[in-house]
Amino acid sequence: GQNIDQPTEMTATEGAIVQINCTYQTSGFNGLFWYQQHAGEAPTFLSYNVLDGLEEKGRFSSFLSRSKGYSYLLLKELQMKDSASYLCAVMDSNYQLIWGAGTKLIIKP
Amino acid sequence: SAVISQKPSRDICQRGTSLTIQCQVDSQVTMMFWYRQQPGQSLTLIATANQGSEATYESGFVIDKFPISRPNLTFSTLTVSNMSPEDSSIYLCSATFGTEPYEQYFGPGTRLTVT
Repeated sequence: GQNIDQPTEMTATEGAIVQINCTYQTSGFNGLFWYQQHAGEAPTFLSYNVLDGLEEKGRFSSFLSRSKGYSYLLLKELQMKDSASYLCAVMDSNYQLIWGAGTKLIIKP
Repeated sequence: SAVISQKPSRDICQRGTSLTIQCQVDSQVTMMFWYRQQPGQSLTLIATANQGSEATYESGFVIDKFPISRPNLTFSTLTVSNMSPEDSSIYLCSATFGTEPYEQYFGPGTRLTVT
């Protein structure tokens, strides 16, 4: 079956760095997406990885290792507004998005 | 960037009734999808809305319960039929644009409560 695992909840301190991991087992692979979702709002697209390596976008970076079925989202210089759920999603061979359950990130001052 | 709107934004409905949710995109769309999200949980894909033909439903979702229309490229509706309290959820439409990487962009969602 298809499966995506990510931690349920993480806590970090304002100004620090946090890494949210995602491991996946899917039928084929056509890319991995990270989304941010604030409470009561719709998910917003953060990043896309299809090749191995690190993609950097400002304070956020996303890493992919296809051979290990592994990705992480790195958030630097954490701000209170980064408190949200972070969803990992993998596009399978049918271009269907398989969603993880999301990681709730709590930022403390 | 494209704007995706949904209406209603929220509704409280009685069991046994039906509600139709509309999704409108302001630019050309490649694909449109309907999701359900229970509080504190991740997204569950209901179906892919196909223009001019029947939607493609995921396991556990059927057309009689969730009829979907997509009469043109930028508009789709989802009806939640014969509602029960278990249908209380947030319903989201999403769309992809252009070519790869096919990231999905979401509407603001419709919060449905069935009493």
